[in-house]
Amino acid sequence: KAGVTQTPRYLIKTRGQQVTLSCSPISGHRSVSWYQQTPGQGLQFLFEYFSETQRNKGNFPGRFSGRQFSNSRSEMNVSTLELGDSALYLCASSLGGVRGTGELFFGEGSRLTVL
Amino acid sequence: GENVEQHPSTLSVQEGDSAVIKCTYSDSASNYFPWYKQELGKGPQLIIDIRSNVGEKKDQRIAVTLNKTAKHFSLHITETQPEDSAVYFCAASKPTGNQFYFGTGTSLTVIP
Repeated sequence: KAGVTQTPRYLIKTRGQQVTLSCSPISGHRSVSWYQQTPGQGLQFLFEYFSETQRNKGNFPGRFSGRQFSNSRSEMNVSTLELGDSALYLCASSLGGVRGTGELFFGEGSRLTVL
Repeated sequence: GENVEQHPSTLSVQEGDSAVIKCTYSDSASNYFPWYKQELGKGPQLIIDIRSNVGEKKDQRIAVTLNKTAKHFSLHITETQPEDSAVYFCAASKPTGNQFYFGTGTSLTVIP
């Protein structure tokens, strides 16, 4: 069974630009979550999508947005990039379900560098 | 919201020794506590988890204990091996949705 696939793996942007990251979950998984990982901060929850609906949202500014398609693939977008947005962005899929709280399967991440 | 604290941030042990990583959480509504291992260049991978109706769980050399009253849980690795070297994260989540709160990680080094 293929794992979680994230693209691109690495990207470099400049301040003010916008970026879109893509995530293909494990087949059959309907929940996709996004996390930002930075040194010293660990993993910070961005948002979770389940059946194309945002089910949970973390404490990030509105510049961070996402969506999920009918095939469960998900994208996240960051607009007006700031230097502090440099991080590893991790996507995780899970079976989901009404009550959630299942094992997360992480992709290898998209490493964003903002210059 | 929930706040998960993890200690220590770095840990070095001799091969064959035990390693213990501790986490505390703040929200008594949290009921699921997984542990993830992250190797260099890879995404985190679940190694063991525990739910709030269980006090201890063991899987070969790895065990997790949970004290709901004190709101803390710990990861125990026995007979450590060099391949155990990685960053370990604890996490907590509540009954609804898939929002996980992670600790800041422990970098474990097992010295051969």
